[in-house]
Formats: sequence, structure tokens, C-alpha cells
Amino acid sequence: DAKTTQPNSMESNEEEPVHLPCNHSTISGTDYIHWYRQLPSQGPEYVIHGLTSNVNNRMASLAIAEDRKSSTLILHRATLRDAAVYYCIRYGGTSYGKLTFGQGTILTVHP
Amino acid sequence: NAGVTQTPKFQVLKTGQSMTLQCAQDMNHEYMSWYRQDPGMGLRLIHYSVGAGITDQGEVPNGYNVSRSTTEDFPLRLLSAAPSQTSVYFCASRASGPSSYNEQFFGPGTRLTVL
Repeated sequence: DAKTTQPNSMESNEEEPVHLPCNHSTISGTDYIHWYRQLPSQGPEYVIHGLTSNVNNRMASLAIAEDRKSSTLILHRATLRDAAVYYCIRYGGTSYGKLTFGQGTILTVHP
Repeated sequence: NAGVTQTPKFQVLKTGQSMTLQCAQDMNHEYMSWYRQDPGMGLRLIHYSVGAGITDQGEVPNGYNVSRSTTEDFPLRLLSAAPSQTSVYFCASRASGPSSYNEQFFGPGTRLTVL
């Protein structure tokens, strides 16, 4: 039970912003939201994480709803290299490194 | 740092054979995990370890054994390979401490085919 819901696929054009949604309506107060992505034929890589406040890093931004039941990963200017499967994961303090992956969102970026 | 390394990259086994998938990390991480990924699916946790000498089962442990004698290494053993174990296997590691701060690092994967 991944406990998060994401669209199966999304498409974008190169250099346009992409908003990838995630629903986590049963999230507990201590669960963080982590995003990973998996490029073709590679292992997953960390993108960003947050708890309550919006977060920015060099790769992306994470917007978390005030009620924490949903979040959105924002890629400000998609590139072809951003084409990947994006996973939204709830991560609790006692998870000991255990990540529960759902199906993720397949992002296609068009030139 | 080499990060998380896995060997071999590819392996073909016959049903009933046994083998060990190797995983090593040079980041002094306490937490290590093994996942498998079947075609078109997300990753599923097989076994994990929170430190040398400590392992526990994940979501799909049957048919696999692990041990953790050092911080660096976390081998995964297939006892008697079955076609259902055809998959891509990923090893991952993470530092211990508050979960908020620690991203997980994944290896490049081992593609295993069982005939």
C-alpha cells in the first residue's frame, strides 16, 4: 500500500514548467513527502522532500497543501533529461530507509 | 566516492541455481536496502538493514537471504532461483538520523533473468 496517488502519465514541452501532483490524504503528522525520479535504465534518484513548508532546491520545487493531503512537484523548465518516472513517497520517522514505491508518474518531455 | 555499487550488472540463471548479488557503499551509511523492480512496476522492498549484524524483512522476502557483516557490504542471496525472480534488483543506502535529512542513494541495478 503506497498510500499516495499519482497520475499514470503526464506530458510537457521542453522549457515549459511541469506540475506533477500527488495525493496523500491519509498522511500522518510526522510523515515527510519525498520525491524520487527514475531515468530510463537507472536506479531512482532523490529529487526533493518536505514536511509542511514549500521547499526549493536546484532540481525542483515542492509545494505542499496547507492540510498536507496533497503536494505538487514543480519542474520550472523541463528539459529532455527530465523525462523519467516520478515517485511521490510518504516517509515516516521509523521507516529506517524503507521506501514504499507506487507506480509513479511517467513524464514525457517533447522537444 | 563511488557511492553505491552493484555487481554483476547482468546475470542469467537456470531454475534452481543459487547466486549472490553484491552491493557495497563507501559513504559509511548505516541503512541499506534491497529492492526489486518488475517491468512497468514500482520498486518493492525485499530486505533491509539498519546496521552491521541487523537485518529485517521487507515486503517480498521469500526466496532471498541477506546478511550484514560490515557497514559497507550488503549481499543478497537467491537460494534456488525461480522464473518469478526475473527482475531488476536495486540496492540502496542511507545515513541514519532524522529521516527528514537523509536522501537515499541507489545503485545502478542488476538485471537478473531466470530461465
